[in-house]
Amino acid sequence: EVQLVESGGGLVQPGGSLRLSCAASGFTFNNFAMSWVRQAPGRGLEWVSTISGSGRTAYYAASVKGRFTISRDSSKDTVSLQMNSLRDDDTAVFYCTKAKRLWVGDLLDYGMDVWGQGTTVTVSS
Amino acid sequence: DIQMAQSPSSLSASVGDRVTITCRASRGISDYLSWYQHKPGKAPSLLIYSASTLQAGVPSRFSGSGSGTDFTLTISSLQPDDFGSYYCQQDYTMPRTFGQGTKVEIK
Repeated sequence: EVQLVESGGGLVQPGGSLRLSCAASGFTFNNFAMSWVRQAPGRGLEWVSTISGSGRTAYYAASVKGRFTISRDSSKDTVSLQMNSLRDDDTAVFYCTKAKRLWVGDLLDYGMDVWGQGTTVTVSS
Repeated sequence: DIQMAQSPSSLSASVGDRVTITCRASRGISDYLSWYQHKPGKAPSLLIYSASTLQAGVPSRFSGSGSGTDFTLTISSLQPDDFGSYYCQQDYTMPRTFGQGTKVEIK
């Protein structure tokens, strides 16, 4: 069964840091880009970051660039999101996702076909 | 960045109704457009990719159409289980962008 399981969410003060992890199983991890998508309370879905299948290329939303870092570990089939300088407006449920299309080195895709259950990040003093 | 404008923001319809949601991209994205369903407390799920291809396991009452800048998601006969929010998202370039969502309520 293809599965993504997130962990690492919690309560953190503004300016603090948190590291989210996502354990993947049931598919060839290195063949697919992985992403993080979030939903703030009462808001819609927001794409946060994507890392290529090789791990060599990463992309970020403007709202998190310079503060968040995505990475992947092919030895453990995990993708992580290091979040620094957290702000109140980073409060959200964060979802780990798998790209549907095999990674071939371009930016095109066919959506995100597997989602984790989500992990909640609350930034508050 | 490519902006995705989705409408309506919410709708209420009866079981059996035909429901249409539209999504417009700020510039051409060919057919690199996905649709998702999101129910409260659950993970979003992929309904349609490549603008019109049904994801495996998704009921055939869901369909998608469009290319370039204008896209449509249609539910041919609304069912009670179709409540929730629906989002379009472009897969053409980075940054990925979602529409603002359409909340579907069953009358």
